[in-house]
Amino acid sequence: NAGVMQNPRHLVRRRGQEARLRCSPMKGHSHVYWYRQLPEEGLKFMVYLQKENIIDESGMPKERFSAEFPKEGPSILRIQQVVRGDSAAYFCASSPPPGQGSGELFFGEGSRLTVL
Amino acid sequence: QKEVEQDPGPLSVPEGAIVSLNCTYSNSAFQYFMWYRQYSRKGPELLMYTYSSGNKEDGRFTAQVDKSSKYISLFIRDSQPSDSATYLCAPFGGGYQKVTFGIGTKLQVIP
Repeated sequence: NAGVMQNPRHLVRRRGQEARLRCSPMKGHSHVYWYRQLPEEGLKFMVYLQKENIIDESGMPKERFSAEFPKEGPSILRIQQVVRGDSAAYFCASSPPPGQGSGELFFGEGSRLTVL
Repeated sequence: QKEVEQDPGPLSVPEGAIVSLNCTYSNSAFQYFMWYRQYSRKGPELLMYTYSSGNKEDGRFTAQVDKSSKYISLFIRDSQPSDSATYLCAPFGGGYQKVTFGIGTKLQVIP
């Protein structure tokens, strides 16, 4: 049973380009979280999704960032017109629906974005 | 006030020492209390999970929750160099609520 798969593991973009990060949850998991991690800030919540629905996007910057989790395929975190401050590790985590598990989040290995 | 407060360390201890890691939180609705461990350049993984107040022991690890003071602790006995990692507390309310993490305490166990 494969774990949470994130790709690319490393991504380099120039300022103004777009970054797309993909996350395939564990088999049987219908809920996905995205977090951003910076050394001095810890793991910051960005968005919580279930298939075809955003549950909580309170941590998403209002501009340039969007996330989706379609009925088929991976969840996508999209960052438009990247700036140097977007350089960070982006982690995806998945879980079964509430009530069907302990609440544990299963994390991927992260995608490390570097903006030049 | 941050929802979850945690001392980032770093904390450096000799092998065999007892380690105490702590968090405080502000949301009285939190019912589930988790500790995650994150090795360098890896994703976090669940280490301990407790529900409501009390203690839970798993091998060398003990998680303690005091809901009255909104204080959670993780104790590591007989610490090993392999315990060197960042430890993140994650209290949450369950259901469809988001999971908020502490900043993480970086622990180094010196052989």
